[in-house]
Amino acid sequence: GAGVSQTPSNKVTEKGKYVELRCDPISGHTALYWYRQSLGQGPEFLIYFQGTGAADDSGLPNDRFFAVRPEGSVSTLKIQRTERGDSAVYLCASSLGTGGTDTQYFGPGTRLTVL
Amino acid sequence: GIQVEQSPPDLILQEGANSTLRCNFSDSVNNLQWFHQNPWGQLINLFYIPSGTKQNGRLSATTVATERYSLLYISSSQTTDSGVYFCAVVSTGNQFYFGTGTSLTVIP
Repeated sequence: GAGVSQTPSNKVTEKGKYVELRCDPISGHTALYWYRQSLGQGPEFLIYFQGTGAADDSGLPNDRFFAVRPEGSVSTLKIQRTERGDSAVYLCASSLGTGGTDTQYFGPGTRLTVL
Repeated sequence: GIQVEQSPPDLILQEGANSTLRCNFSDSVNNLQWFHQNPWGQLINLFYIPSGTKQNGRLSATTVATERYSLLYISSSQTTDSGVYFCAVVSTGNQFYFGTGTSLTVIP
């Protein structure tokens, strides 16, 4: 595709529910990142995939958060037992090689609201 | 992790004015990008600039890696330039560390 896409664009859920957020990276990009942006702040890193494996998950806030990328393309961020504090915009980015020295391209984000 | 500070936090300009946004970072970097986040939340790449100077139309950027800062210049500002400008850096590893941004409002 032309850019990184994310679905859904908005998700409203109730406290305690499970949610899945999807990211389609730019075709051919091996690196994929998830970030979270709270109101008035810059994005914060959650997890980085190189291919199918999570190369760095140090930004995941706790074990309620999990992400997969089974075929090295599409990724899903999964949040269990959602809490009101999880409300934020979840951003996905991809880069051709390792993001350490490659341009990262961001998707439009998924706005998650936990009631 | 690396600290990234941006200044000013807020900026209001008359259309046609010029401005300079600054990004200071606390450690050496392998990657630095400037982004514009539009009112719909989309982060748009402006520059990949871990060092040196680049120009793209009315925008230009300079990174002095040895002194740990980067500058984004906006000339002849337009109302469509409004939004939040973020500087993001990669030090070790692959993750970006973002500054808190500069919120720019250009008034006609």
